Amino acid sequence: GQNIDQPTEMTATEGAIVQINCTYQTSGFNGLFWYQQHAGEAPTFLSYNVLDGLEEKGRFSSFLSRSKGYSYLLLKELQMKDSASYLCAVRRNYGQNFVFGPGTRLSVLP
Amino acid sequence: DGGITQSPKYLFRKEGQNVTLSCEQNLNHDAMYWYRQDPGQGLRLIYYSQIVNDFQKGDIAEGYSVSREKKESFPLTVTSAQKNPTAFYLCASLLAGDTGELFFGEGSRLTVL
Repeated sequence: GQNIDQPTEMTATEGAIVQINCTYQTSGFNGLFWYQQHAGEAPTFLSYNVLDGLEEKGRFSSFLSRSKGYSYLLLKELQMKDSASYLCAVRRNYGQNFVFGPGTRLSVLP
Repeated sequence: DGGITQSPKYLFRKEGQNVTLSCEQNLNHDAMYWYRQDPGQGLRLIYYSQIVNDFQKGDIAEGYSVSREKKESFPLTVTSAQKNPTAFYLCASLLAGDTGELFFGEGSRLTVL
């Protein structure tokens, strides 16, 4: 079956660093994606990993370990606008379709 | 500007009525997808289509139907057979290239009374 786990909620302070973890067990793997979704809006793409290691994009970094079925999204210098849900998604290697985790709702406090 | 347009944004229907949600893209993407989002459950795949006149069931296709007669359009019909249709519905298309991330429409919120 397909299973992706993330913490349901996290809270952090403005200016701090937060790490959102994602573990997955899927039939096939062809990349792991992180999306940001503000309440009532569409998800927007943040990052992508297909090989093990760290990918950095400004204040956001994402890490992947395929052998452990594990990824994390690291957000630095948190801003109030980072309050959103963060979705972890795996692209399966057939049909180019994606399976999503339940999302982690991050609240950034002043 | 290129993008994905979903309509309507909000829709109210009585139980037992079929409803069709529109999804149109002008990005020239080949693949299109329909997801359903419920609180605490993330996005679940309903149907997807990789090419015109072809589509496949996703994980929760029961009670839904789709068509793909044109590359730009992928409408979703929520039928009366869908037992719990109230949800947020998201249409997406696939951006070609190395990363291949999904590009989403703004969503349609369906409430069945």
